[in-house]
Amino acid sequence: EPEVTQTPSHQVTQMGQEVILRCVPISNHLYFYWYRQILGQKVEFLVSFYNNEISEKSEIFDDQFSVERPDGSNFTLKIRSTKLEDSAMYFCASSPFNNEKLFFGSGTQLSVL
Amino acid sequence: DQQVKQNSPSLSVQEGRISILNCDYTNSMFDYFLWYKKYPAEGPTFLISISSIKDKNEDGRFTVFLNKSAKHLSLHIVPSQPGDSAVYFCAARGNDYKLSFGAGTTVTVRA
Repeated sequence: EPEVTQTPSHQVTQMGQEVILRCVPISNHLYFYWYRQILGQKVEFLVSFYNNEISEKSEIFDDQFSVERPDGSNFTLKIRSTKLEDSAMYFCASSPFNNEKLFFGSGTQLSVL
Repeated sequence: DQQVKQNSPSLSVQEGRISILNCDYTNSMFDYFLWYKKYPAEGPTFLISISSIKDKNEDGRFTVFLNKSAKHLSLHIVPSQPGDSAVYFCAARGNDYKLSFGAGTTVTVRA
């Protein structure tokens, strides 16, 4: 069964550093998403991406965040200057239709020290 | 964002019995509801969904019930199996097409 893959599975970084989280969505899906889950809290929406542009973003997704689909397969989330509170599990997801039956990757655990 | 609430953080059930997970929502504009299952160190896995025009959807051991007037949905798992032990998230989609997730319910199936 096709799956969403995310790399790396763990990322440790120093506060203020830039990180790029990578995702390979399912190949025939059109909608792509980033979610995050801070330890002990609920899964939170960050951003959705369709047709090579952001379609929706949450209040969390401020100027420090950006997304890109640099080629036909990868979907990346960049955090320009990480803060301690960015520490979370970041999930990439894709779906064939808008917000229906999202397929999630296994996540990248980001730890900002 | 408290639009989707799962008021029971945990549920313990005997193997073979029914698991009932509950979810309440406040936004009457939600038109599509999903349940996800999550194992530790893995991403959420889609389980079952229901459109707001239906009140029941069944897939094998999993049935989702929707009560629009009460703004309540539930997931029934019958019979419960040890592999069902996981965190279950309720999610709802509004007319802005964003998904709102509940906080999750941890299900433990006892042998």
